[in-house]
Amino acid sequence: SQQGEEDPQALSIQEGENATMNCSYKTSINNLQWYRQNSGRGLVHLILIRSNEREKHSGRLRVTLDTSKKSSSLLITASRAADTASYFCATVLQGAQKLVFGQGTRLTINP
Amino acid sequence: DTAVSQTPKYLVTQMGNDKSIKCEQNLGHDTMYWYKQDSKKFLKIMFSYNNKELIINETVPNRFSPKSPDKAHLNLHINSLELGDSAVYFCATTLRGGNTGELFFGEGSRLTVL
Repeated sequence: SQQGEEDPQALSIQEGENATMNCSYKTSINNLQWYRQNSGRGLVHLILIRSNEREKHSGRLRVTLDTSKKSSSLLITASRAADTASYFCATVLQGAQKLVFGQGTRLTINP
Repeated sequence: DTAVSQTPKYLVTQMGNDKSIKCEQNLGHDTMYWYKQDSKKFLKIMFSYNNKELIINETVPNRFSPKSPDKAHLNLHINSLELGDSAVYFCATTLRGGNTGELFFGEGSRLTVL
């Protein structure tokens, strides 16, 4: 069954603006990961945040994790046209050996 | 060199046929996966192999048979193809068995069943 759910399903913003995507999940996790998928391509790992971490940064990306609310957010600052892609959160359930993906947020950056 | 390569990239075939998709990785990773992405972009794990041993087999019809001849290869054979098998199939790898770290994905194999 699906574990993570992204919100919104689609987001369209102007270049230079910040984009925020949210992910909610249902059960306890070891870690949560965010991936990007450009159209017609494979998924690319962006960032991993462990269950005992609250915030992580990587370049223009900022990820937060709130285990009490079972939610995470991905913030992309100063968006660029090249950021246009689908973004997926994925969770590793405690005791499991697999990564379970949500359905993704389709982000469009308008020039 | 592509880290995780899949062939073919596109596959169009008739219902009832049998087809295979191949995956090769040059990362030296222990664990390989097959994921299926449907038309709504939902990614679902199908199989996982660790050092040629099957460790995850989700509720996938037994028309789907994975095979790992060695640690660097994981192939997917599909018998008696059905319309609902149309999807993009992704191979992925991770460093260690049972590892919860990042996955490295191939570019996908788009299967269309007519």
